[in-house]
Amino acid sequence: AQTVTQSQPEMSVQEAETVTLSCTYDTSENNYYLFWYKQPPSRQMILVIRQEAYKQQNATENRFSVNFQKAAKSFSLKISDSQLGDTAMYFCAFMGNTNAGKSTFGDGTTLTVKP
Amino acid sequence: EPEVTQTPSHQVTQMGQEVILRCVPISNHLYFYWYRQILGQKVEFLVSFYNNEISEKSEIFDDQFSVERPDGSNFTLKIRSTKLEDSAMYFCASSERQLAKNIQYFGAGTRLSVL
Repeated sequence: AQTVTQSQPEMSVQEAETVTLSCTYDTSENNYYLFWYKQPPSRQMILVIRQEAYKQQNATENRFSVNFQKAAKSFSLKISDSQLGDTAMYFCAFMGNTNAGKSTFGDGTTLTVKP
Repeated sequence: EPEVTQTPSHQVTQMGQEVILRCVPISNHLYFYWYRQILGQKVEFLVSFYNNEISEKSEIFDDQFSVERPDGSNFTLKIRSTKLEDSAMYFCASSERQLAKNIQYFGAGTRLSVL
């Protein structure tokens, strides 16, 4: 079974600075997909960024980028130029290529951006 | 932009009652999912559904739970004889295809409160 671990329950960052959220996972699959979701106080799940394991290149979406280290099974999220609206819970999630679209989530990291 | 719609946003029920949570997936999507998030905890997979049958279900999804696609647009989660520990946020998601390169789109969730 897959597991996803987020070792940072809470993080804070000053507005305009950069912060990195950590995520590690465990799987025996070779092809899979990784995601970061943002959950603001409204509790809606918003996809931030995704990475396909067979792609070497790290995914980037505007101020959000990942550092995907497949051998280390690590998938960290870097948020550049942090904004107050980035304050939210962030979940790392794993989806295998062989199951029925089931996502396995980490415990989440609460990020607070301070003015 | 198309979105997954969930109703109601908040459902309050008495312990032992049955509830039906409703979801309208994105119209051309074929795969449907329910997830649960107990307050302060991680998001947990409940069930995936395709072609009018369950593709996969978790240990949580026991006989108390059932899913149905009663018509061409709705996807429902029924919880029979609710318990206090069923209080949680329930998220519906849909995807165009099973593989993760077609993203799972999440609804805004239904907060279920069992009293």
